[in-house]
Amino acid sequence: RKEVEQDPGPFNVPEGATVAFNCTYSNSASQSFFWYRQDCRKEPKLLMSVYSSGNEDGRFTAQLNRASQYISLLIRDSKLSDSATYLCVVNGAGGSYIPTFGRGTSLIVHP
Amino acid sequence: NAGVTQTPKFQVLKTGQSMTLQCAQDMNHEYMSWYRQDPGMGLRLIHYSVGAGITDQGEVPNGYNVSRSTTEDFPLRLLSAAPSQTSVYFCASRRTGGEAFFGQGTRLTVV
Repeated sequence: RKEVEQDPGPFNVPEGATVAFNCTYSNSASQSFFWYRQDCRKEPKLLMSVYSSGNEDGRFTAQLNRASQYISLLIRDSKLSDSATYLCVVNGAGGSYIPTFGRGTSLIVHP
Repeated sequence: NAGVTQTPKFQVLKTGQSMTLQCAQDMNHEYMSWYRQDPGMGLRLIHYSVGAGITDQGEVPNGYNVSRSTTEDFPLRLLSAAPSQTSVYFCASRRTGGEAFFGQGTRLTVV
């Protein structure tokens, strides 16, 4: 089983749609979690951290389910500019220096 | 605030040539790492460092060397370039428990 797994997609949605991605992780001792966004041929950039209580940033909501070992990202009212690859990142126990990246989920928002 | 700076942005090498990819960060982060990203493969860890003078191998270290003589710099050396090393290379840095910051990437082609 891979340490961090994501559905590669692509998720093809119309503007204004709500879309959700999940990411599962295998290490139950994992400590910190993040969602990154990567545009084509660019470096990954932090979208948001994921907190135990869940957190929201505008149209984006991230949640953590430790019991089932997954994190989720919900995007409401999708925009064309949301088209990108979304990477799930998990840091291990004790602030492990090796963050583990999922392979990413591709989102395409069309008019 | 420069963040993570990678050079060069693009490079073409002939098989058997050697070169060094440069990475520097100005955030005083302890942890630095090198990844390669190939289509459909996600980010794969090549080498990482937890502080000056300390380095270790990641998932795909063969054909690459690193050193960390200062906190700021973490160069990646290709010893004898092979076509299989054609890829996009990203350097990243982070502090304990924090998110990773990436350089803009180096697009390397080995012919």
